[in-house]
Amino acid sequence: EPEVTQTPSHQVTQMGQEVILRCVPISNHLYFYWYRQILGQKVEFLVSFYNNEISEKSEIFDDQFSVERPDGSNFTLKIRSTKLEDSAMYFCASTGYWGINEQYFGPGTRLTVT
Amino acid sequence: TQLLEQSPQFLSIQEGENLTVYCNSSSVFSSLQWYRQEPGEGPVLLVTVVTGGEVKKLKRLTFQFGDARKDSSLHITAAQPGDTGLYLCAASSGSARQLTFGSGTQLTVLP
Repeated sequence: EPEVTQTPSHQVTQMGQEVILRCVPISNHLYFYWYRQILGQKVEFLVSFYNNEISEKSEIFDDQFSVERPDGSNFTLKIRSTKLEDSAMYFCASTGYWGINEQYFGPGTRLTVT
Repeated sequence: TQLLEQSPQFLSIQEGENLTVYCNSSSVFSSLQWYRQEPGEGPVLLVTVVTGGEVKKLKRLTFQFGDARKDSSLHITAAQPGDTGLYLCAASSGSARQLTFGSGTQLTVLP
Protein backbone atom coordinates (compact mmCIF):
# COMPACT_ATOMS: atom_id res chain seq x y z
CA GLU A 1 0.00 0.00 0.00
CA PRO A 2 1.38 3.43 -0.95
CA GLU A 3 2.56 5.54 1.96
CA VAL A 4 4.13 8.87 2.78
CA THR A 5 7.75 8.57 3.89
CA GLN A 6 9.84 11.08 5.82
CA THR A 7 13.54 11.47 6.54
CA PRO A 8 15.27 11.73 8.89
CA SER A 9 13.23 10.13 11.65
CA HIS A 10 15.10 12.21 14.24
CA GLN A 11 17.12 15.38 13.74
CA VAL A 12 19.08 17.12 16.47
CA THR A 13 20.35 20.60 15.73
CA GLN A 14 21.72 23.62 17.53
CA MET A 15 19.77 26.82 17.86
CA GLY A 16 20.35 29.09 14.88
CA GLN A 17 21.18 26.27 12.48
CA GLU A 18 19.26 25.53 9.30
CA VAL A 19 17.44 22.23 8.94
CA ILE A 20 15.75 20.58 5.99
CA LEU A 21 13.09 17.96 6.59
CA ARG A 22 12.29 15.69 3.67
CA CYS A 23 9.13 13.95 2.58
CA VAL A 24 8.18 11.69 -0.29
CA PRO A 25 4.39 12.00 -0.74
CA ILE A 26 2.25 9.23 -2.18
CA SER A 27 2.91 8.91 -5.88
CA ASN A 28 0.29 10.72 -8.05
CA HIS A 29 -0.94 12.82 -5.13
CA LEU A 30 -1.31 16.49 -5.92
CA TYR A 31 -1.62 18.30 -2.58
CA PHE A 32 1.09 18.35 0.04
CA TYR A 33 1.07 19.57 3.62
CA TRP A 34 3.28 20.09 6.63
CA TYR A 35 1.96 19.91 10.19
CA ARG A 36 3.75 19.97 13.50
CA GLN A 37 2.98 18.58 16.93
CA ILE A 38 4.72 19.93 19.99
CA LEU A 39 4.99 17.27 22.68
CA GLY A 40 1.66 16.85 24.45
CA GLN A 41 -0.16 19.32 22.21
CA LYS A 42 -2.49 19.22 19.21
CA VAL A 43 -1.39 18.61 15.66
CA GLU A 44 -1.11 22.07 14.04
CA PHE A 45 -1.27 23.01 10.37
CA LEU A 46 1.73 24.81 8.91
CA VAL A 47 1.37 25.00 5.14
CA SER A 48 -0.28 23.45 2.09
CA PHE A 49 1.28 23.25 -1.38
CA TYR A 50 -0.33 22.68 -4.75
CA ASN A 51 0.84 23.17 -8.31
CA ASN A 52 4.29 24.28 -7.14
CA GLU A 53 3.09 27.04 -4.90
CA ILE A 54 1.85 27.62 -1.38
CA SER A 55 -1.95 27.56 -1.27
CA GLU A 56 -2.50 28.10 2.47
CA LYS A 57 -0.30 28.84 5.45
CA SER A 58 -0.82 29.41 9.16
CA GLU A 59 0.58 32.18 11.32
CA ILE A 60 3.21 29.72 12.54
CA PHE A 61 4.66 29.55 9.03
CA ASP A 62 6.67 32.77 9.14
CA ASP A 63 9.68 33.91 7.12
CA GLN A 64 11.89 31.34 8.85
CA PHE A 65 10.03 28.56 7.08
CA SER A 66 9.99 27.63 3.42
CA VAL A 67 8.79 24.68 1.36
CA GLU A 68 9.95 23.32 -1.95
CA ARG A 69 9.28 20.49 -4.35
CA PRO A 70 12.75 20.21 -5.88
CA ASP A 71 11.89 17.28 -8.13
CA GLY A 72 8.96 15.04 -9.00
CA SER A 73 9.01 13.07 -5.78
CA ASN A 74 10.40 15.05 -2.84
CA PHE A 75 8.72 17.76 -0.75
CA THR A 76 10.87 19.63 1.74
CA LEU A 77 10.40 21.93 4.72
CA LYS A 78 13.30 24.23 5.54
CA ILE A 79 13.70 26.11 8.80
CA ARG A 80 16.32 28.79 8.26
CA SER A 81 17.41 29.58 11.80
CA THR A 82 16.02 27.15 14.33
CA LYS A 83 14.76 28.21 17.74
CA LEU A 84 14.24 26.15 20.86
CA GLU A 85 10.47 26.40 20.36
CA ASP A 86 10.76 24.72 16.95
CA SER A 87 11.34 21.42 18.74
CA ALA A 88 8.42 19.22 17.71
CA MET A 89 7.32 16.31 15.55
CA TYR A 90 6.90 17.46 11.97
CA PHE A 91 4.46 15.53 9.80
CA CYS A 92 4.13 15.59 6.05
CA ALA A 93 0.78 14.68 4.47
CA SER A 94 -0.58 14.34 0.97
CA THR A 95 -3.89 13.96 -0.77
CA GLY A 96 -4.81 13.26 -4.32
CA TYR A 97 -8.37 14.45 -4.67
CA TRP A 98 -9.72 17.94 -5.06
CA GLY A 99 -13.18 17.09 -3.72
CA ILE A 100 -12.51 14.93 -0.67
CA ASN A 101 -9.84 16.29 1.68
CA GLU A 102 -8.50 12.88 2.74
CA GLN A 103 -4.98 13.45 4.02
CA TYR A 104 -2.46 10.65 4.53
CA PHE A 105 0.30 11.34 7.00
CA GLY A 106 3.91 10.25 7.16
CA PRO A 107 5.58 8.82 10.27
CA GLY A 108 7.09 12.19 11.19
CA THR A 109 10.48 13.71 11.91
CA ARG A 110 11.30 14.48 15.50
CA LEU A 111 13.22 17.77 15.54
CA THR A 112 15.16 18.58 18.70
CA VAL A 113 16.73 22.04 18.92
CA THR A 114 19.35 22.45 21.64
CA THR B 1 -10.83 29.86 13.81
CA GLN B 2 -12.78 26.66 14.19
CA LEU B 3 -12.24 24.62 17.32
CA LEU B 4 -12.83 20.90 17.67
CA GLU B 5 -13.69 19.65 21.13
CA GLN B 6 -13.21 15.97 21.81
CA SER B 7 -14.66 14.11 24.75
CA PRO B 8 -13.83 12.36 26.88
CA GLN B 9 -10.16 13.26 27.03
CA PHE B 10 -9.30 9.91 28.65
CA LEU B 11 -11.23 6.65 28.64
CA SER B 12 -10.26 3.40 30.30
CA ILE B 13 -12.50 0.39 29.83
CA GLN B 14 -12.46 -3.39 30.10
CA GLU B 15 -12.12 -5.65 27.08
CA GLY B 16 -15.52 -6.43 25.59
CA GLU B 17 -17.19 -3.17 26.59
CA ASN B 18 -18.67 -0.69 24.13
CA LEU B 19 -17.70 2.98 24.01
CA THR B 20 -18.43 6.20 22.19
CA VAL B 21 -16.20 9.23 21.78
CA TYR B 22 -17.34 12.58 20.51
CA CYS B 23 -16.06 15.43 18.39
CA ASN B 24 -17.98 18.71 18.51
CA SER B 25 -17.73 22.21 17.10
CA SER B 26 -19.84 25.28 16.49
CA SER B 27 -18.57 25.37 12.91
CA VAL B 28 -19.93 23.54 9.87
CA PHE B 29 -17.42 21.23 8.22
CA SER B 30 -17.01 20.28 4.58
CA SER B 31 -15.42 17.01 5.67
CA LEU B 32 -14.27 15.34 8.85
CA GLN B 33 -11.67 12.66 9.37
CA TRP B 34 -10.95 10.30 12.25
CA TYR B 35 -7.35 9.29 12.83
CA ARG B 36 -5.60 7.02 15.27
CA GLN B 37 -2.14 7.96 16.53
CA GLU B 38 0.38 5.84 18.39
CA PRO B 39 3.13 7.49 20.50
CA GLY B 40 5.92 8.88 18.31
CA GLU B 41 4.12 8.07 15.06
CA GLY B 42 2.02 9.89 12.51
CA PRO B 43 -1.80 9.92 12.50
CA VAL B 44 -3.28 6.98 10.60
CA LEU B 45 -6.47 7.72 8.70
CA LEU B 46 -9.46 5.62 9.75
CA VAL B 47 -12.36 7.23 7.90
CA THR B 48 -13.59 10.36 6.14
CA VAL B 49 -17.20 11.57 6.37
CA VAL B 50 -18.59 14.30 4.17
CA THR B 51 -22.42 14.06 4.13
CA GLY B 52 -24.63 15.16 7.03
CA GLY B 53 -26.12 12.10 8.75
CA GLU B 54 -23.61 9.77 7.14
CA VAL B 55 -22.74 6.55 8.95
CA LYS B 56 -19.66 4.50 8.08
CA LYS B 57 -18.57 1.19 9.54
CA LEU B 58 -15.06 -0.21 9.75
CA LYS B 59 -15.30 -3.65 11.38
CA ARG B 60 -16.19 -2.90 15.03
CA LEU B 61 -15.91 0.87 14.57
CA THR B 62 -18.95 2.95 13.59
CA PHE B 63 -18.52 6.59 12.62
CA GLN B 64 -21.39 9.04 12.41
CA PHE B 65 -21.46 12.57 11.02
CA GLY B 66 -24.08 14.90 12.50
CA ASP B 67 -26.96 16.06 10.34
CA ALA B 68 -25.73 19.65 10.50
CA ARG B 69 -22.13 18.59 9.86
CA LYS B 70 -20.94 20.17 13.11
CA ASP B 71 -20.25 17.05 15.11
CA SER B 72 -19.23 13.43 14.83
CA SER B 73 -19.00 10.31 16.96
CA LEU B 74 -16.95 7.15 16.96
CA HIS B 75 -18.49 4.05 18.51
CA ILE B 76 -16.44 0.92 19.19
CA THR B 77 -18.24 -2.34 19.86
CA ALA B 78 -16.65 -5.04 22.01
CA ALA B 79 -13.39 -3.15 22.51
CA GLN B 80 -10.14 -5.10 22.42
CA PRO B 81 -6.70 -4.25 23.87
CA GLY B 82 -5.51 -3.64 20.30
CA ASP B 83 -7.91 -0.69 20.12
CA THR B 84 -5.80 1.16 22.69
CA GLY B 85 -4.53 4.44 21.26
CA LEU B 86 -5.16 8.14 20.73
CA TYR B 87 -8.19 8.85 18.55
CA LEU B 88 -8.16 12.21 16.81
CA CYS B 89 -10.81 13.99 14.81
CA ALA B 90 -9.79 16.55 12.22
CA ALA B 91 -11.86 18.71 9.93
CA SER B 92 -11.77 21.32 7.23
CA SER B 93 -14.40 23.86 6.26
CA GLY B 94 -15.36 25.71 3.13
CA SER B 95 -12.78 25.58 0.37
CA ALA B 96 -9.84 25.48 2.80
CA ARG B 97 -7.89 22.22 2.87
CA GLN B 98 -5.98 22.74 6.11
CA LEU B 99 -7.08 20.34 8.80
CA THR B 100 -7.89 21.50 12.31
CA PHE B 101 -7.32 18.75 14.85
CA GLY B 102 -9.00 18.05 18.14
CA SER B 103 -6.98 17.25 21.25
CA GLY B 104 -7.88 13.60 21.04
CA THR B 105 -9.34 10.86 23.22
CA GLN B 106 -6.77 8.55 24.80
CA LEU B 107 -8.40 5.12 24.94
CA THR B 108 -7.05 2.30 27.08
CA VAL B 109 -8.66 -1.12 26.80
CA LEU B 110 -7.69 -3.41 29.67
CA PRO B 111 -7.51 -7.18 29.12
